[in-house]
Amino acid sequence: GDSVTQMEGPVTLSEEAFLTINCTYTATGYPSLFWYVQYPGEGLQLLLKATKADDKGSNKGFEATYRKETTSFHLEKGSVQVSDSAVYFCALRLTGGGNKLTFGTGTQLKVEL
Amino acid sequence: GAGVSQSPRYKVAKRGQDVALRCDPISGHVSLFWYQQALGQGPEFLTYFQNEAQLDKSGLPSDRFFAERPEGSVSTLKIQRTQQEDSAVYLCASSPGTSGGPQAQYFGPGTRLLVL
Repeated sequence: GDSVTQMEGPVTLSEEAFLTINCTYTATGYPSLFWYVQYPGEGLQLLLKATKADDKGSNKGFEATYRKETTSFHLEKGSVQVSDSAVYFCALRLTGGGNKLTFGTGTQLKVEL
Repeated sequence: GAGVSQSPRYKVAKRGQDVALRCDPISGHVSLFWYQQALGQGPEFLTYFQNEAQLDKSGLPSDRFFAERPEGSVSTLKIQRTQQEDSAVYLCASSPGTSGGPQAQYFGPGTRLLVL
């Protein structure tokens, strides 16, 4: 079945460090890919998305590129801030496969001063 | 504007009790989803409504779980005869349209259910 695999956390970084959170997927069709973020005490929020191969989603300094050849959608940010501390979820949605999202297990990011 | 709201935010139930969880989607949103999130895991799909029609209930784990959206707005997820393995955060999400295109799903804060 369809699935998303994320690197395990927690990931602990110093402020201004470079961030990569790996995400790979398995899907029978052509999915759209998403990153959601969950800040402490808050609900899931859409961070960015990409709908087809080679698309790059970006928001708030975060980027992710849809790589069909490696079935990956890694999340990157050049310089993290303490306020980026949260849990990040990679997710896919199949085109024509209904509207449900399939999530990874989440990666907790802690950014320290 | 108002986002997705859920109530109660926390629910403690004794094993065997029935519970009802409420979701108020963003006004005008056609699609509504329920997900279950176990501790340390990602959300898992339970069911999907388009207006009042339940189009997909493939994720409901057993016949003890029942969801409805009778007027195409507010939705209720009901769990009968709760078991300890039902303890989780139940998330509701809504999106403006139907299918076609990667429309964002807007999530509520969740209801944390603990079954003792």
